[in-house]
This record gives sequence, structure tokens and C-alpha cells, in this order.
Amino acid sequence: GQQLNQSPQSMFIQEGEDVSMNCTSSSIFNTWLWYKQDPGEGPVLLIALYKAGELTSNGRLTAQFGITRKDSFLNISASIPSDVGIYFCAGPRDTSGTYKYIFGTGTRLKVLA
Amino acid sequence: DGGITQSPKYLFRKEGQNVTLSCEQNLNHDAMYWYRQDPGQGLRLIYYSQIVNDFQKGDIAEGYSVSREKKESFPLTVTSAQKNPTAFYLCASSMVGVSYNEQFFGPGTRLTVL
Repeated sequence: GQQLNQSPQSMFIQEGEDVSMNCTSSSIFNTWLWYKQDPGEGPVLLIALYKAGELTSNGRLTAQFGITRKDSFLNISASIPSDVGIYFCAGPRDTSGTYKYIFGTGTRLKVLA
Repeated sequence: DGGITQSPKYLFRKEGQNVTLSCEQNLNHDAMYWYRQDPGQGLRLIYYSQIVNDFQKGDIAEGYSVSREKKESFPLTVTSAQKNPTAFYLCASSMVGVSYNEQFFGPGTRLTVL
């Protein structure tokens, strides 16, 4: 079945550093979603990507839809302590229109002040 | 404000008891979903519904049941048949039939079985 692999699994960075993480799929996706989850809370949608090669920004966050349609990247510039959390990628299970998504296992980000 | 609400935030249950988790949305979304999240893991789909009075099993439906009598509401019952129910439960919703169908999540309910 479909799998989403996120890397790195966790990372510790210094405040002010840039962060890069990625997500790869075993099959082609037509949509990529990136979420952030704070401890004990529900995931919040950060960026949605719908076109191969698309580059979309949301403040200090930038995400790209890989040209192969099997990967996506999320970058955070000039990290701050509130960036700590778990970042998930998600893609649709299939093209049948059931709108089910598969989620990666997450990248856990910790920012050292 | 539009959004998804889940209640309660924390729930404790004794073994052998059924418990129902509430999920309500006022986003006018047709589709609603229930996920389970365990420590260090991603989200696993329990049930989903694309329209009122219809729902489908996800990957881990055993021991769970749902109903969808109203568009705004999608309650999840964790039955005594669920062997390991302690987890964080997340409800989500999305539009149907459009090109952009992002899923939006509620704040979650943490269920602990004593």
C-alpha cells in the first residue's frame, strides 16, 4: 500500500537557523498538505500544494511540490521557539474521490533558544 | 467563528465501558473523519463519512462505531471490543466535489482507559 516517509524523524536546531524537511511517497500524488501539531492539540494546516513544481510560501514557511510528484519539501526560515512541534505531510490515498488522506509519521522539531 | 469542536478534551473510562466522543463542525463540510494518534506515530483513519447517513470503515475500524445523522455532527463510540483504546482521537472535516479539499482538524480528545 501507499506509504509516506518523512525525514528527518526529529531535529534540534538553534533559534534563527533555517530548517528543511521532506516527505516521499511510494506513489504519485496530486496533492500535498503540510500540517503542524502542537503538543496535545490538533494539526493545523500550514500549506496545501496542488501542482507539480509548485512553490508556495506562508510567512517564514515555504513548501514545494516535487517535480516527480512523489515528494514534497518544507522549509522554515529563521526559526523561533514557537516553531517547535510535529510537522506532518499528507497526501490523498487514491484518485477515486473519497478524499481519504495518508499521513506521514512526522518530523519533530525542537528549537534551542 | 467557523471550526471543528471536539468534546471532552480529556476522557477517562473504565475497562469494559463504551464511551462516545463528540465532533461538531460549522464549516458546512460534507465529509468528516475520525483518526487515532498514538505516541510517536502518524494518524490512522478509523471511519469517514462523505454524506449524511453514510459512512465507511477506515484502516482500524474494529472496536469503533460512528453515526452521521446530521451534517454537522459525527460522533465516535469506542466500544469495549476495542482492545487498546487509550489514545489521542482527532476529528477532521473537508469539502467534497471540489478541486481543493484540505482537511481541517479539531483540537482532539485524549482518552485514557483505567
